[in-house]
Amino acid sequence: NAGVTQTPKFQVLKTGQSMTLQCAQDMNHEYMSWYRQDPGMGLRLIHYSVGAGITDQGEVPNGYNVSRSTTEDFPLRLLSAAPSQTSVYFCASSSRDSINSPLHFGNGTRLTVT
Amino acid sequence: AQSVTQPDIHITVSEGASLELRCNYSYGATPYLFWYVQSPGQGLQLLLKYFSGDTLVQGIKGFEAEFKRSQSSFNLRKPSVHWSDAAEYFCAVGLTEGGTASKLTFGTGTRLQVTL
Repeated sequence: NAGVTQTPKFQVLKTGQSMTLQCAQDMNHEYMSWYRQDPGMGLRLIHYSVGAGITDQGEVPNGYNVSRSTTEDFPLRLLSAAPSQTSVYFCASSSRDSINSPLHFGNGTRLTVT
Repeated sequence: AQSVTQPDIHITVSEGASLELRCNYSYGATPYLFWYVQSPGQGLQLLLKYFSGDTLVQGIKGFEAEFKRSQSSFNLRKPSVHWSDAAEYFCAVGLTEGGTASKLTFGTGTRLQVTL
């Protein structure tokens, strides 16, 4: 049972480069989300999706794009990376967008922007 | 808007000793409360949650937490810590009115170190 799979685990980018962080879940979950984790800041929500074709902004969406073309996948795109985007990124999913549905997290992607 | 505070950034305990991690929240009503654990190199895993009812909730790995409305707290406890409990622990608060996963607010985390 794979759960939530994130790739890559590590990535180094130069300022201005673009990349996509991949997230896939095999639990047929409706709700998927992206968080960034920074020291002393906890987890902050970037974008989320309540189903295929539906996305919305979280607390810190600037500099990031998302799409949800399938139930399984929820990629996060950095169009022009900045050093401020150096962080650990987590993808999470749950069966539905309800506080009663527990979140399942991937193992994270550590991104460094130089 | 709700908020959550974890006053301790880093705690060190000896193996076998008891543990209490503090969590305080701010919310106008009784919130939904959660504790998550993040082991090194891993994602977050749900330890326990409080929605209503008994204020002492049991979780996985021998952890428990007590909701105290008068103190706006939801402290995590374990009677005897094992070396494998070394990890980062996050408290989170969710809305009870129209609560959604996207409205979950995480604390800044407490890193637990266990000495042998």
